[in-house]
Amino acid sequence: AQSVAQPEDQVNVAEGNPLTVKCTYSVSGNPYLFWYVQYPNRGLQFLLKYITGDNLVKGSYGFEAEFNKSQTSFHLKKPSALVSDSALYFCAVRDRSGGSYIPTFGRGTSLIVHP
Amino acid sequence: SQTIHQWPATLVQPVGSPLSLECTVEGTSNPNLYWYRQAAGRGLQLLFYSVGIGQISSEVPQNLSASRPQDRQFILSSKKLLLSDSGFYLCAWSVKGAGYNQPQHFGDGTRLSIL
Repeated sequence: AQSVAQPEDQVNVAEGNPLTVKCTYSVSGNPYLFWYVQYPNRGLQFLLKYITGDNLVKGSYGFEAEFNKSQTSFHLKKPSALVSDSALYFCAVRDRSGGSYIPTFGRGTSLIVHP
Repeated sequence: SQTIHQWPATLVQPVGSPLSLECTVEGTSNPNLYWYRQAAGRGLQLLFYSVGIGQISSEVPQNLSASRPQDRQFILSSKKLLLSDSGFYLCAWSVKGAGYNQPQHFGDGTRLSIL
């Protein structure tokens, strides 16, 4: 079975400060991990993914995420937040050895960047 | 490049009326297709997915149904809408193969209100 948790419903950060949106996962094998962003009244947009290799993954709009196998985490980070980064962020996991191609999504974290 | 279209963008329907939401994908062939519902701007609920024409898998028993009459067309239907069917409906596609490590690509959704 696969599951993912986003422990924070909301994250508040000041513009220009670094941001972190947390994600932890559970799989029986090795994971494929994804981050998506959703702006109001829009669909989800893919930001980045981890498949294998380098634990630090760089994605769109200056975002990056660090895969930590021992902590089963895949936190999303950005060195300097912009007001335009305010949105809903989703983490998703797919168990590489599970046979299912359907990912499991977290409940989402609302990021609010204050001017 | 690939694009996904959903329509209509918004829909207001009376209880007991029928429903048809359409999703089409351009620029790719033989995609996996998905229907999700998002309530209150939060978590995603997978409703249906399809790996090919005429092949539909249902995740949640309900009064909704899905069909895939053509390779890149996915339709969500209901014969009689319930109040609980209100929500934001998202269609998505993904590439097959490659160990299912490819992200999903979402349309901009249909906001359905039942009166």
